[in-house]
Parts: sequence; structure tokens; C-alpha cells
Amino acid sequence: SDMLTQPPSVSVAPGKTATISCGGNNIGSNSVHWFQQKPGQAPVLLIYYDSDRPSRIPERFSGSNSGNTATLTISRVEAGDEADYYCQVWDTTRDHSVFGTGTKVTVL
Amino acid sequence: QVQLVESGGGLVTPGGSLRLACAASGFTFSDYYMSWIRQAPGKGLEWVSYITGSGSSTNYADSVRGRFTISRDNAKNSLFLQMNSLSAEDTAVYYCARRLDAFDVWGQGTMVTVSS
Repeated sequence: SDMLTQPPSVSVAPGKTATISCGGNNIGSNSVHWFQQKPGQAPVLLIYYDSDRPSRIPERFSGSNSGNTATLTISRVEAGDEADYYCQVWDTTRDHSVFGTGTKVTVL
Repeated sequence: QVQLVESGGGLVTPGGSLRLACAASGFTFSDYYMSWIRQAPGKGLEWVSYITGSGSSTNYADSVRGRFTISRDNAKNSLFLQMNSLSAEDTAVYYCARRLDAFDVWGQGTMVTVSS
């Protein structure tokens, strides 16, 4: 995977569901991780190995990965979910990490 | 608690050098791969480099290969990034991050500004 493409922005109303895509050539064959970054803060691990959540992350956050697209889903969106979201894989061929282009989620 | 604290950032002129440090605490430092990841102002995340737990193996992004050197001192629970031949394109917040499978712990970042 040399480039991971995400939509620049996603807007969602409170209580609704937001979906963020992460596109890459055969990304389904890689493990995808997702990070949330709020303004002025360091990124925080949200989802690892496509769909696992660290214990501190609410169940509202879920992930999937198949084919050429990985997806982060935020259910029952809250105002506090407003942030930038990044997908990430480890490119085993080049032995380096690749981050997605990032998606800014705006809660209307 | 598990913590990473970066230091060493600042203002440097083009062509200059800077050495960043990352102090780790709350976990067995030598058990983990460590990485440096940077973020230019208003831009996305860019992986810079990684080093294995023993320090025996490293790798770099093409954009910094030959100019940056990652190293670690497991006795002092510290990670380093020596940055040479800096240019404006290296201006960014630099984060150190612990990697088990994913980057599960990040520092707060240190700002590097390359400007004359």
C-alpha cells in the first residue's frame, strides 16, 4: 500500500451515523488501524486490527476491512466526536507505515 | 502510568541539525518497537522512522533517509532522532509513538521549525 485515500470531510448530525472510508489497493489484505486526533492534541488509537477496540474506546466506534476499502463507523455521533480521523497500515513490502490522508468529521 | 514525553524541538536554520529525544516511562521500554511520526502545520500524519526494541534494526521514510538517524538507549528508556540537513519541508510537530501492533501510545509532540 503506497497511498491510502480518505474523504477530506464528513458532516453528520448528532445521533446519526458517520462512515469514513480508507481506500487502498487490496487494503483488505492488510491490518488497518484508525486514529482520532482532536485539535492541538496527539492522535489516539481508536481501532486496531481492522475492528478491535482498546478498552477505553466506546462501542460506538467500529471498523471493517475488505477488498480495496476499510471503513470506520461512528454510531450515535456526539459533539465530542468532532475531530480528524486517520487510517494506517504497515506496508510489509517496504517495511514502513502508511497513513491515510485524513478525514475531518464535523458534527452539525 | 504509560507515558512518552518528547523534547528537543525548536527553531533551526535551513541546513542545520537538531536532536529530538523521547523519554518513556510506565512500561518495559526495550520490549517495544518505537517510531517517530510527524505532522506539518495543517497537514496529515507522516511516518518518519522506526527502530526495533533492541535497536538492531531501523527503517526510514524516503523523505528523510540519509538525513535522519533514529536510535535508542534502553538503559535510560530513551528514544532519539538526529536530524541533519534540515529544510523548510521538515517543519512539523514530531511525535514519538510506541508500536506493539498499532501505535498505541503517543507523546504530546515537539515542534520543529526550520526557517531563516
